[in-house]
Amino acid sequence: SAVISQKPSRDICQRGTSLTIQCQVDSQVTMMFWYRQQPGQSLTLIATANQGSEATYESGFVIDKFPISRPNLTFSTLTVSNMSPEDSSIYLCSVEEVPGETQYFGPGTRLLVL
Amino acid sequence: GNSVTQMEGPVTLSEEAFLTINCTYTATGYPSLFWYVQYPGEGLQLLLKATKADDKGSNKGFEATYRKETTSFHLEKGSVQVSDSAVYFCALRSLMASGGSYIPTFGRGTSLIVHP
Repeated sequence: SAVISQKPSRDICQRGTSLTIQCQVDSQVTMMFWYRQQPGQSLTLIATANQGSEATYESGFVIDKFPISRPNLTFSTLTVSNMSPEDSSIYLCSVEEVPGETQYFGPGTRLLVL
Repeated sequence: GNSVTQMEGPVTLSEEAFLTINCTYTATGYPSLFWYVQYPGEGLQLLLKATKADDKGSNKGFEATYRKETTSFHLEKGSVQVSDSAVYFCALRSLMASGGSYIPTFGRGTSLIVHP
């Protein structure tokens, strides 16, 4: 099973700034997912990222706010831009090794925006 | 579109009690079904899965059976422990007709609290 690490594990940021979250996988994977999980709530899919192509964003999420890079098969970044307190959340990176099968999750990045 | 409905929590039990967390789904085609668990301060991890009707997934004493006739995938455990306290997510993956991708769908999660 894939092992995923995320950096930073947590951060406290000022409104109007941006934060880039890194996701590193110990194996090559085709599909990577970025989720947001607000306290006590379920996961909300932000976007899916295939290596070598533009990320596909879900309804309510736009590239200007959440730009994603996917430079290779083991790494991705999500940037939360021009942050506001409403962006305070846990951001989770996830991958799948086989399409449609088990997803593996990173430990999450806990973001607090003041 | 696809959807997953879980019973609302929190579910509070005493140690060694029987656990059921209900999960029902709507999906096109033949989805694979999953239960994930999230322990405090951690990411989600797979608990068990089933890929076709009547399959039973099991792990760590937890079980769930894929019931196509009732579109359900209820999670059960015969005797819970304090260490089972976590949030449990039911999820499905099915092949979307448009784009040919397996978009994941998660339930809202059910918090389980087990007291000694």
